[in-house]
Amino acid sequence: GAGVSQSPRYKVTKRGQDVALRCDPISGHVSLYWYRQALGQGPEFLTYFNYEAQQDKSGLPNDRFSAERPEGSISTLTIQRTEQRDSAMYRCASSLAGGRKETQYFGPGTRLLVL
Amino acid sequence: ELKVEQNPLFLSMQEGKNYTIYCNYSTTSDRLYWYRQDPGKSLESLFVLLSNGAVKQEGRLMASLDTKARLSTLHITAAVHDLSATYFCAVDMWVTGKLIFGQGTTLQVKP
Repeated sequence: GAGVSQSPRYKVTKRGQDVALRCDPISGHVSLYWYRQALGQGPEFLTYFNYEAQQDKSGLPNDRFSAERPEGSISTLTIQRTEQRDSAMYRCASSLAGGRKETQYFGPGTRLLVL
Repeated sequence: ELKVEQNPLFLSMQEGKNYTIYCNYSTTSDRLYWYRQDPGKSLESLFVLLSNGAVKQEGRLMASLDTKARLSTLHITAAVHDLSATYFCAVDMWVTGKLIFGQGTTLQVKP
């Protein structure tokens, strides 16, 4: 595909359920980032990967949040025991090579609503 | 803690006018990015500024970076309605690609 894709685009879940959000980066991109964007705010960093290695997870709010990228391509962000405060737009971005002078290309996002 | 602050947060302007959006950040960095976001859409990369004094222009938008002042500006020349959007600056302090975003500036250009 031409760009970063994410699925599902919308997810409504009940409090206490687990959700998995998927990100498919641009083919060949080494680095993959997860951000969370609240309405009217800029994206907030969550975690990122170079290839399959998680380099930084300092932005994950708590241990209910986890992410993986087992084969260095598709990534999954999992939120366990969701809470209403987890409701937000979750965005994924990828770049050719992180830590350098590369542009991050953002996906369309997954809108999560926790009831 | 790195802070990125934009001002103004909201800007309503007439077509044909010029204006500047400011992006201040609190810690040394020589990597600054500008993104555009249309309502309900994703973020589109506009500019990547990678050194002190860097200036880039695309159409009616021009971005500059002063790393000593920790300031970037996005200048709009002769605004047109199509430029209405929210503009974000973002700083990469750790040279890792971990971006810290400003709050965004919502630009509304009126005919």
